[in-house]
Amino acid sequence: NAGVTQTPKFRILKIGQSMTLQCTQDMNHNYMYWYRQDPGMGLKLIYYSVGAGITDKGEVPNGYNVSRSTTEDFPLRLELAAPSQTSVYFCASRATRNTEAFFGQGTRLTVV
Amino acid sequence: AQRVTQPEKLLSVFKGAPVELKCNYSYSGSPELFWYVQYSRQRLQLLLRHISRESIKGFTADLNKGETSFHLKKPFAQEEDSAMYYCALSGHSNSGYALNFGKGTSLLVTP
Repeated sequence: NAGVTQTPKFRILKIGQSMTLQCTQDMNHNYMYWYRQDPGMGLKLIYYSVGAGITDKGEVPNGYNVSRSTTEDFPLRLELAAPSQTSVYFCASRATRNTEAFFGQGTRLTVV
Repeated sequence: AQRVTQPEKLLSVFKGAPVELKCNYSYSGSPELFWYVQYSRQRLQLLLRHISRESIKGFTADLNKGETSFHLKKPFAQEEDSAMYYCALSGHSNSGYALNFGKGTSLLVTP
């Protein structure tokens, strides 16, 4: 059971560089999410998607972009990386409103 | 506004002692509440959801709509319970039913 898979697990970026965090799920879930986790702050929603071709901003979208061309994949793009984007990023998916959300193992990103 | 409050950043108890992790919420409508656990450097995983009323690893949580609370309880803490615990509330359709998380409580169970 693969569930939600994120790559890479770790990455160090220089200020101004760009990268894409990959997320894929094999459970045919319509709902997918990107969160960032900062110490003492819990998880904050960056972007979400309710199905292929449909995405929308969450609480902290600035500096990020997403796409959802297929049900399985929901990549997160960072353009012009900044130190404030140093965080742990989690991708998640769920089937419906009251079902379990499954999380990826996280990507630890450091911007220097 | 939807909000989840976990008032304790850190909770330290001795092995065998009872533990209660507090969670309060604000939500317009019928809430869907969850507890997630994150062991050191691992992904978040579901511990409980109020709709199922299950007991997982000895933990229980009761939804109290009058007090808008969903506290997590365990009568006898074990060392392996040491982890980060997050209370989460399922949002409205205008956020894709995204989970709103509290800031988390770090539980430390000492021998």
